[in-house]
Amino acid sequence: KQEVTQIPAALSVPEGENLVLNCSFTDSAIYNLQWFRQDPGKGLTSLLLIQSSQREQTSGRLNASLDKSSGRSTLYIAASQPGDSATYLCAVGGNNAGNNRKLIWGLGTSLGVNP
Amino acid sequence: NAGVTQTPKFQVLKTGQSMTLQCAQDMNHEYMSWYRQDPGMGLRLIHYSVGAGITDQGEVPNGYNVSRSTTEDFPLRLLSAAPSQTSVYFCASSYSGGRAEAFFGQGTRLTVV
Repeated sequence: KQEVTQIPAALSVPEGENLVLNCSFTDSAIYNLQWFRQDPGKGLTSLLLIQSSQREQTSGRLNASLDKSSGRSTLYIAASQPGDSATYLCAVGGNNAGNNRKLIWGLGTSLGVNP
Repeated sequence: NAGVTQTPKFQVLKTGQSMTLQCAQDMNHEYMSWYRQDPGMGLRLIHYSVGAGITDQGEVPNGYNVSRSTTEDFPLRLLSAAPSQTSVYFCASSYSGGRAEAFFGQGTRLTVV
């Protein structure tokens, strides 16, 4: 059974720091991996999606990497800003015809960026 | 673009009442799903659908029903609300092929008293 773990559970950094959020999964047979952002009381916004055949994806100050063999993904945020404060969630899509859209979720990393 | 629209945003129910959470998407996505989010437990899949007329159970289906009569709509029905169903509910949609990026609604915060 796929399990997704995110470390750390919470992180507080000063503005301007570069930071890394970690996501690990137990079954390397995945279809894709997505990173989401969730603001308090709000829905989930997709940040980056990495297909199983890809190693990384970039969007602005965000870079996500995927190492299927070791069951790990990292989300790198460059030059953090107070507006980056949110909870970041990692979700893994299963890899078979019946499960390739079922997402298994980590519990998230709550990020606070202090001015 | 509307994306995924959920209604209502907030709801309070009494134990035993029934209600329907609405979800609509305008992206012509085949795949739609419902999750609940609870503190310390993350998001858990309730029901999902791979296309109109096809639904299946997820991880925590008990107490919930779904139907998919059109590609756009995927309502979630609570048959007889219980306090254990107090949660935040999210609807999501994606294409079945290709990138399969998931898009989420803003959520429905449900309290059962």
